[in-house]
Amino acid sequence: AQSVAQPEDQVNVAEGNPLTVKCTYSVSGNPYLFWYVQYPNRGLQFLLKYITGDNLVKGSYGFEAEFNKSQTSFHLKKPSALVSDSALYFCAVRGVDGSSNTGKLIFGQGTTLQVKP
Amino acid sequence: DAGVTQSPTHLIKTRGQHVTLRCSPISGHKSVSWYQQVLGQGPQFIFQYYEKEERGRGNFPDRFSARQFPNYSSELNVNALLLGDSALYLCASRRGYEQYFGPGTRLTVT
Repeated sequence: AQSVAQPEDQVNVAEGNPLTVKCTYSVSGNPYLFWYVQYPNRGLQFLLKYITGDNLVKGSYGFEAEFNKSQTSFHLKKPSALVSDSALYFCAVRGVDGSSNTGKLIFGQGTTLQVKP
Repeated sequence: DAGVTQSPTHLIKTRGQHVTLRCSPISGHKSVSWYQQVLGQGPQFIFQYYEKEERGRGNFPDRFSARQFPNYSSELNVNALLLGDSALYLCASRRGYEQYFGPGTRLTVT
């Protein structure tokens, strides 16, 4: 079965400190992985993706994510958190139907990031 | 370029009624997907359309249906509404590997 797990409902970090939001996945074949952010009463905004290549991918707003195939993880990171980073973060994997990649995304439950001044 | 647009923004319906939600993709995007996001959960895939053909369906009852028009806009229809259908309905258009989401339609069923 294909799935994404975000083990932390909430992550609290002080402004200026590094942050990590965790994600693990389960999918057959090579994973296509994504991070999205959702602000209150808004849709999802794309942050970054991993398709192939370098295990460290850089995205929008200073975020980056590290792909670890052996641990089936794709953790989101930022060296220095801002109060404005406070939001709901979703990890997603592209679904696979048999041997074909599909267009659907399978999302984790989400992690609320709270950055305090 | 305008992003993905959805209408209406909010909607209140009564159990048993039907509803139609609308989505316009980013210009040039031919693929549209629909997701349901219940409060406190991640979005759940409902449908994907590409070039007016259904390319994927999630685990939703037949009360849910959709279609895509020649201009690539899309409608999601839900019949016989249940209280559990209350959610944020998100539309996304895709080019390549990336999906871009609209602001969603908040549906409340009373």
